[in-house]
Amino acid sequence: DIQMTQSPSSLSASVGDRVTITCRASQSIRNYLNWYQQKPGKAPKLLIFRASSLQSGVPSRFSGSGSGTDFTLTIRSLQPEDFATYFCQQTYITPPFTFGPGTKVDF
Amino acid sequence: QVQLVESGGGLVKPGGSLRLSCAASGLTFSDSYMSWIRQAPGKGLEWVSSISSNGVTKSYADSVKGRFTISRDNAKKSLSLQMNSLRAEDTAVYYCARTKGFFDYWGRGTLVTVSS
Repeated sequence: DIQMTQSPSSLSASVGDRVTITCRASQSIRNYLNWYQQKPGKAPKLLIFRASSLQSGVPSRFSGSGSGTDFTLTIRSLQPEDFATYFCQQTYITPPFTFGPGTKVDF
Repeated sequence: QVQLVESGGGLVKPGGSLRLSCAASGLTFSDSYMSWIRQAPGKGLEWVSSISSNGVTKSYADSVKGRFTISRDNAKKSLSLQMNSLRAEDTAVYYCARTKGFFDYWGRGTLVTVSS
């Protein structure tokens, strides 16, 4: 099975900061990498699919990049509503569709 | 708009069974690949199972294989997860989600607690 790691596991940031979260796969997953945002008590929300495609309705300050094994989620200018936990997920070829352990972004 | 509403969660003893349901609206359910994902309290996300749009192809995480069964009724726009031989480690919020190579629509989840 493909294993996913994320770094950092948590980070402290301020409104207006540029935030970068890294996700790494245990083998090449081409660009089959998705990013989700989750707030406490809520379901996850899709932000980015296929590594760099912005989901409809998601603000353009979110962007994704990478291919193969190394991927990045960038939040260009952090807003108050962006404080949340972010998960990457691979959907390469067949299940299991593993998630990364998450990165918590707080103050 | 798309709505996915899970139900059927609750408290069950170890070794017991529970059946979760997910009612879909606002999407062409019969064309939609669907999945269950769970999240243990304070933990990360774990993919559990997926089913193709026609119900023929099913896949399961190793942690639930042989104990859980995914199914669907396209006429009723409903997705189900039959959970048998439940263990304490199955305690989690269970979400259903539409699957298109990513999970773009999620329900709000239903809590399953396995405890004596």
